[in-house]
Amino acid sequence: DAGVIQSPRHEVTEMGQEVTLRCKPISGHDYLFWYRQTMMRGLELLIYFNNNVPIDDSGMPEDRFSAKMPNASFSTLKIQPSEPRDSAVYFCASSTTSFNEQFFGPGTRLTVL
Amino acid sequence: ILNVEQSPQSLHVQEGDSTNFTCSFPSSNFYALHWYRWETAKSPEALFVMTLNGDEKKKGRISATLNTKEGYSYLYIKGSQPEDSATYLCAFNAGGTSYGKLTFGQGTILTVHP
Repeated sequence: DAGVIQSPRHEVTEMGQEVTLRCKPISGHDYLFWYRQTMMRGLELLIYFNNNVPIDDSGMPEDRFSAKMPNASFSTLKIQPSEPRDSAVYFCASSTTSFNEQFFGPGTRLTVL
Repeated sequence: ILNVEQSPQSLHVQEGDSTNFTCSFPSSNFYALHWYRWETAKSPEALFVMTLNGDEKKKGRISATLNTKEGYSYLYIKGSQPEDSATYLCAFNAGGTSYGKLTFGQGTILTVHP
């Protein structure tokens, strides 16, 4: 298996632009997680899905952030409009159950100028 | 807000030394405790998932213990090697209505000097 796939790996954009991050989980994994990693806050959960349904989005910073999972093999995290404080590494992870180990993708490094 | 604390923040040891670090978490509403290893420029990789009080897990030279009643877990590395240099993260799962949610500690940065 190729593992969790994320694209793009790096994204540089200007403030106010829309940014879309993409994730393909490991086949057969029913849980998908979006995390953000910053120096100040460490690794924090933004939202997670179970069988394509959002379960907990309490970590989504504000209305500028939205996430979707239209099918079992694809999810997007969208930021509109983007701001410099959104600059971070965004990880996607998947797992088979709610308490099993999570498999992380390579991350997307986002820079908002 | 769940508080997951890891200590020390960083650790420097010599090759061959054994070392250990601590993860503290709320002792109520325990569901699972995860340990991850995170090498620079890579992604976190799972080491252990522990669910039962008194659990002990081992993978090669790395082992972990769990005390859910007092809210702590220890990670041990025996005979550290330079390739063990990484950030070690623990993550707490409180279960309940947000059963998949992991709250991560800030990590312990381990540097093993040859």
